Amino acid sequence: KNQVEQSPQSLIILEGKNCTLQCNYTVSPFSNLRWYKQDTGRGPVSLTIMTFSENTKSNGRYTATLDADTKQSSLHITASQLSDSASYICVVSFTGGGNKLTFGTGTQLKVEL
Amino acid sequence: KAGVTQTPRYLIKTRGQQVTLSCSPISGHRSVSWYQQTPGQGLQFLFEYFSETQRNKGNFPGRFSGRQFSNSRSEMNVSTLELGDSALYLCASRLSTEGTYEQYFGPGTRLTVT
Repeated sequence: KNQVEQSPQSLIILEGKNCTLQCNYTVSPFSNLRWYKQDTGRGPVSLTIMTFSENTKSNGRYTATLDADTKQSSLHITASQLSDSASYICVVSFTGGGNKLTFGTGTQLKVEL
Repeated sequence: KAGVTQTPRYLIKTRGQQVTLSCSPISGHRSVSWYQQTPGQGLQFLFEYFSETQRNKGNFPGRFSGRQFSNSRSEMNVSTLELGDSALYLCASRLSTEGTYEQYFGPGTRLTVT
């Protein structure tokens, strides 16, 4: 069964600190992996998307890495800000699966002063 | 360019009733997907429409149905509502169903079933 597991489930960090969120997947055959940020009460917003051949992708203070051999991805947030408080969702899609995406349950990040 | 819009934003219904949710995609986008999001299950795929045809379907009962109009706007219907249908329903649009076209999500409709 295709699954996407994220850790930790929740995380609290101080403003200005860095953090790393993890995503492990068993989806096969793999097509691409996306990280989304979802603010409370809003729809998810795409941060990065990586295909099989890419192992890192940056979007400002967000850097995603992908190891297709171990089926692991991470999202690193640098110099966190209060506005980074949100749920971060890892999503993996199948090759030839059209829009058949498998979603992780997300990591809830809270950035405090 | 306007984003994905969903109406209504909030809805309260009673068990046994039915409900229709609406989604207007980004102009030019022909694919619309629907998702259910609950705290316990996370985001789950309901179905995707492209050119008025259902292209993919998730593992939801037949009480959940949808359609897409010629202008790409989409509606989702849930009949015989159950308490467990309380969730945030998200709509997402993209240019096409092919490859890695990015999906853009709407703000969602918060449905509460009492």
